[in-house]
Formats: sequence, structure tokens, C-alpha cells
Amino acid sequence: QSALTQPASVSGSPGQSITISCTGTSSDVGDYNFVSWYQQHPGKAPKLMIYDVSNRPSGVSNRFSGSKSGNTASLTISGLQAEDEADYYCSSYISSTTNVVFGGGTKLTVL
Amino acid sequence: QVQLQGSGPGLVKPSETLSLTCSVSRYYISSGYYWGWIRQPPGKGLEWIGSIYHSGSTYYNPSLKSRVTISVDTSKNHFSLQLSSVAATDTAVYYCACGRWLQFLDYWGQGNLVTVSS
Repeated sequence: QSALTQPASVSGSPGQSITISCTGTSSDVGDYNFVSWYQQHPGKAPKLMIYDVSNRPSGVSNRFSGSKSGNTASLTISGLQAEDEADYYCSSYISSTTNVVFGGGTKLTVL
Repeated sequence: QVQLQGSGPGLVKPSETLSLTCSVSRYYISSGYYWGWIRQPPGKGLEWIGSIYHSGSTYYNPSLKSRVTISVDTSKNHFSLQLSSVAATDTAVYYCACGRWLQFLDYWGQGNLVTVSS
């Protein structure tokens, strides 16, 4: 299995919106609505931000939203804040082999 | 909420077996959830190693499957990872985590750095 494809970096100014893409194949991202997104600050454990494409766990800001079209999933962060600066990882379930694959990660810089 | 605390040796010799344990608090493993391990080499991205359901069913990354064993001990409320025949490329921070379903991980431990070196 290959890692999902994410841009290495994205940036935006406070208050703006940014979108991070996560591209896979019809065997992973495009197969089921089982895409998740994690936020990781330096030296910290990842934190679940979105699960099953567009669901937010309790306590996660509604500035974070997820979507999917075909084999590409997206994470959108609106009203960017300094604290959003972190690495973001997508992941997808692979039904054919019942396992999970992560994306390579995207570093978000808030200018 | 569920709390996870990983523990184990921080240094393992090449060709030996890496063993880590994740102690769970504020939740009984036998009650449900998928219990998993993820690793992150220094400066690199996340890699899913595998998960185990509370009933004992296991799910492994195909690229690591031949070397990985994940097990659960409900009497001690912890789960474990064993990775055999380690090499320098297995040096990473190893996270234990759990999720309501296999496809996502709700709660994470703090991570344990394991270095493979002689």
C-alpha cells in the first residue's frame, strides 16, 4: 500500500481559509467514507480533528471541516488562527486488506 | 476520557525484538474499542503499524505483518506491541492509541522514542 498524497506545505494569514488535499485511489480514499484528519503540534501526539470524511469529534472547533470528492479528500480550516500552525495528516481505511494508511503530512504555516 | 500510557525500553539492539506496553485507564479494554500502534521516525510522517479489537482480532500493516504481534491482556488492562528483527529504520516514536472503529483513532498516548542501535 502507498501513502496518501498531501502537499508538503500550505500557508495562510490569520482570518483566512485554507484547504489541504489528500489524494488516494479507488481502493482507499475513494472506496468508503472512512477518511480521517489529525493535527500534530511539534513534540506532541496527534489529535483527531475529523473522522469519516466530515464528522468532528466533540470539542473540535467548527472552523475545521472535511469533504471528499472521488479519490481526493480535503480539510478546510476557516478563520485561521496562530494556534492552527501544525502538521496535518490524513488517513484512510483500506477495505481489501482491512488496514489503515496515512498521508505524508502537510505543514501549515500561519503567516 | 480514555487515557493511554506507553512504556518500554528506549534502546533496542539490531536484530532483537522491540516490546512496548500501553496501559489504559478510565476505560476497560474488554468493553470495546480498537487498540492500535502507530510510529513516526524522527522528522518524518506517521505510519500505522496495526490494531487489535477487544475480542482479539488483529489487523496489521502488510509491510510489517511478518514482524509484528499485537496482543491484549484484559486482566492487566493493557495491550502490547512486539516488533521482531529490528533495524535502524525502525527507530521512531511509537504511539499507542484507540478508536471506536478501526478507521480512526480517538485517543493517543504521549509516545515513546525507541532507538535501534548497538
